[in-house]
Amino acid sequence: QKEVEQDPGPLSVPEGAIVSLNCTYSNSAFQYFMWYRQYSRKGPELLMYTYSSGNKEDGRFTAQVDKSSKYISLFIRDSQPSDSATYLCAMRYGAGNMLTFGGGTRLMVKP
Amino acid sequence: ETGVTQSPTHLIKTRGQQVTLRCSSQSGHNTVSWYQQALGQGPQFIFQYYREEENGRGNFPPRFSGLQFPNYSSELNVNALELDDSALYLCASSSGDFSYNEQFFGPGTRLTVL
Repeated sequence: QKEVEQDPGPLSVPEGAIVSLNCTYSNSAFQYFMWYRQYSRKGPELLMYTYSSGNKEDGRFTAQVDKSSKYISLFIRDSQPSDSATYLCAMRYGAGNMLTFGGGTRLMVKP
Repeated sequence: ETGVTQSPTHLIKTRGQQVTLRCSSQSGHNTVSWYQQALGQGPQFIFQYYREEENGRGNFPPRFSGLQFPNYSSELNVNALELDDSALYLCASSSGDFSYNEQFFGPGTRLTVL
């Protein structure tokens, strides 16, 4: 069993929809949680970073962490075709910068 | 400010050969991490260099090795290439030590092993 599980998709939604992306993890030692967006043939770029349980909002993006359930989510409001990409969740332990990634969910937003 | 750059963009090698991939970190960054991303999967941590010293290693065999230079650029070397080494190799740089700082990823080098 992988440490971080993520539904690979693809997830196809119409423009303007609310998108929900999720990851589960097995290791309770993870303390920092991130969401990256990766366009085709590009490196991942950081979208959201959270530490504690709860919600964090940044524009159209909301990251949610539930440490008791070992479950994190990324919500995208008013989705746009430019949001079409692969979304990777990632997490790390307290020290150091080693990231453990999920497998990624491919999102397609149709005009 | 120049971002993280990697070379070459693409590379084709045959099984058993050796390869060297290069990464230039973002200005002011002293930490470089390397990841392997197989097709359709998330990146997997290979190792990290901080101020020219290896500072953490993932579950990769010794034939994966690296270097970091005084200017904080880095190389990833892979010996005795296997078919399963075909992947996108990502380099990420960050500043600071042992506290969270955003890792900026380069565009990657796509390695194909035939």
